[in-house]
Amino acid sequence: NAGVTQTPKFRVLKTGQSMTLLCAQDMNHEYMYWYRQDPGMGLRLIHYSVGEGTTAKGEVPDGYNVSRSTTEDFPLRLLSAAPSQTSVYFCASSRPSGGYTFGSGTRLTVV
Amino acid sequence: QQQVKQSPQSLIVQKGGISIINCAYENTAFDYFPWYQQFPGKGPALLIAIRPDVSEKKEGRFTISFNKSAKQFSLHIMDSQPGDSATYFCAASFLGSARQLTFGSGTQLTVLP
Repeated sequence: NAGVTQTPKFRVLKTGQSMTLLCAQDMNHEYMYWYRQDPGMGLRLIHYSVGEGTTAKGEVPDGYNVSRSTTEDFPLRLLSAAPSQTSVYFCASSRPSGGYTFGSGTRLTVV
Repeated sequence: QQQVKQSPQSLIVQKGGISIINCAYENTAFDYFPWYQQFPGKGPALLIAIRPDVSEKKEGRFTISFNKSAKQFSLHIMDSQPGDSATYFCAASFLGSARQLTFGSGTQLTVLP
């Protein structure tokens, strides 16, 4: 099925560990995004990309890194995990005309 | 200026009733206003969207009403069903921002059988 695939679905990290959340889309969408969702705060943008080779910071970028080496893939790296990064992470993609497709999310717990 | 304010935070409606969720925005550059539906453990899914050149858009039981002068838009769910119980997010974006969506804080809708 066409869409956005995120892996893993769940992960527990220890403080200070690093990890990469994977995101892949097969719709040939130009734009890709990473959001985090926390209770009562809606979804907040971490980083985004408007095309291969480009990335930009969103509202809450600190502690995260991204890259866009292909149109399909947009991995999110946590450099040194902190308890404040406990959240549900969503990857999404869209065309410039709008209309996001979201992945099913990664639930991350940092202990 | 990027903020989108959503109300109410939670809503309880009887089966068959009308659910109304409201959003207000500040940035007049926004040109795309979607609503997303999210079930527990799932990603948000696009429900319906509107652009500011129309005042209303209807898809089945779901209607967006848009008031450009008041900078407000709302989601109406007619004949609400228990299966509509979910969290609803309004959002807004404009092309110049790479279509970054600014989300409201969400409304937890419960439809009682």
